[in-house]
Amino acid sequence: DAKTTQPNSMESNEEEPVHLPCNHSTISGTDYIHWYRQLPSQGPEYVIHGLTSNVNNRMASLAIAEDRKSSTLILHRATLRDAAVYYCIITGAGSYQLTFGKGTKLSVIP
Amino acid sequence: DTAVSQTPKYLVTQMGNDKSIKCEQNLGHDTMYWYKQDSKKFLKIMFSYNNKELIINETVPNRFSPKSPDKAHLNLHINSLELGDSAVYFCASSQVGSRVHTEAFFGQGTRLTVV
Repeated sequence: DAKTTQPNSMESNEEEPVHLPCNHSTISGTDYIHWYRQLPSQGPEYVIHGLTSNVNNRMASLAIAEDRKSSTLILHRATLRDAAVYYCIITGAGSYQLTFGKGTKLSVIP
Repeated sequence: DTAVSQTPKYLVTQMGNDKSIKCEQNLGHDTMYWYKQDSKKFLKIMFSYNNKELIINETVPNRFSPKSPDKAHLNLHINSLELGDSAVYFCASSQVGSRVHTEAFFGQGTRLTVV
């Protein structure tokens, strides 16, 4: 699975948009880009995933660069409940594992 | 209904004991996992089972033995517990296909403390 690089931490004000970046320059053509988050004292939680096109769901949007070597998770209005560690994970379609890195710890300021 | 449930939530035990953690998923997924999160919060896969067959065993000591009685259950048995086994253990499940990769659902974790 391709390696990912994320900032260790980010801060956001409540109710403002947050852009969480991820670099994955060694991604292959059939690899998926996944985002998970882990709230304090909870298990990881799926956020969104995509292959080539930008994706939207009720939780977030995923913007994928044209060359697919980077992506950005967009939270449109950060709430206190969004404070978590966000993991960007690259995996093949038939892969039997998610390889977690260190992720980005997002703090939301009231 | 909880999608992936694991028991117990907390487990405190002495060194040398044998303990089990149970996991059940009601999502109809064919693949289940065990992950370990250490004190530095690093999440690492331990095992992956697909249709009751072991697919991934990531350099885990053989004191750890997963058991999958059916597709909906993946239990983790640990023999001769050591201090270094203290961690939070997460069970997860997903549906894995050759052309798709669906989201994985994680349990709430079992915090194991070995004293």
